[in-house]
Amino acid sequence: DQQVKQNSPSLSVQEGRISILNCDYTNSMFDYFLWYKKYPAEGPTFLISISSIKDKNEDGRFTVFLNKSAKHLSLHIVPSQPGDSAVYFCAARDNYGQNFVFGPGTRLSVLP
Amino acid sequence: EAQVTQNPRYLITVTGKKLTVTCSQNMNHEYMSWYRQDPGLGLRQIYYSMNVEVTDKGDVPEGYKVSRKEKRNFPLILESPSPNQTSLYFCASSSVTVSYEQYFGPGTRLTVT
Repeated sequence: DQQVKQNSPSLSVQEGRISILNCDYTNSMFDYFLWYKKYPAEGPTFLISISSIKDKNEDGRFTVFLNKSAKHLSLHIVPSQPGDSAVYFCAARDNYGQNFVFGPGTRLSVLP
Repeated sequence: EAQVTQNPRYLITVTGKKLTVTCSQNMNHEYMSWYRQDPGLGLRQIYYSMNVEVTDKGDVPEGYKVSRKEKRNFPLILESPSPNQTSLYFCASSSVTVSYEQYFGPGTRLTVT
């Protein structure tokens, strides 16, 4: 059973609009969450992260929100640009085991 | 340039023939890890290492071995590869004192026939 879920396999957004990518988790031992972006034929690259003691973290056009009671986090990209088109992975760190669990990814397409 | 390198990038092999995928990082990171990426499943952690001579199983360790004799290297060993190990493999590293963000290598596409 997947501990980190990204229920939308794909998402299309118009350039300049907001992109919202969602992630749900089940394990209460997760204490740190990260978003990675992946282009074809490349390794994932780190985008933004958030500690479980916070509910929001911003970095330029990217904002991550964490709702611990709902075990839900989301990544907002505003404004979306065509270069943001990629697969986005949500990841969580297990504080008990020090390992990382990734979601299946969401493919974002930003249309010009 | 800070980077994680993997070799080979592409490998086609036959069932049962032992192989090693190398991984090296030049950032003096303590934490290193191996993942496999399969369609619909995202990245699944195979093994990780918190430091030299310290390794631990991830979510899918069966059929794999690792070693961490030096801080910069973390090879992945498949003693007897099987077709279900056909996948895209990524090595990653991170500092445990700065943040948990991991730097990933470019990937190794392995096909076992």
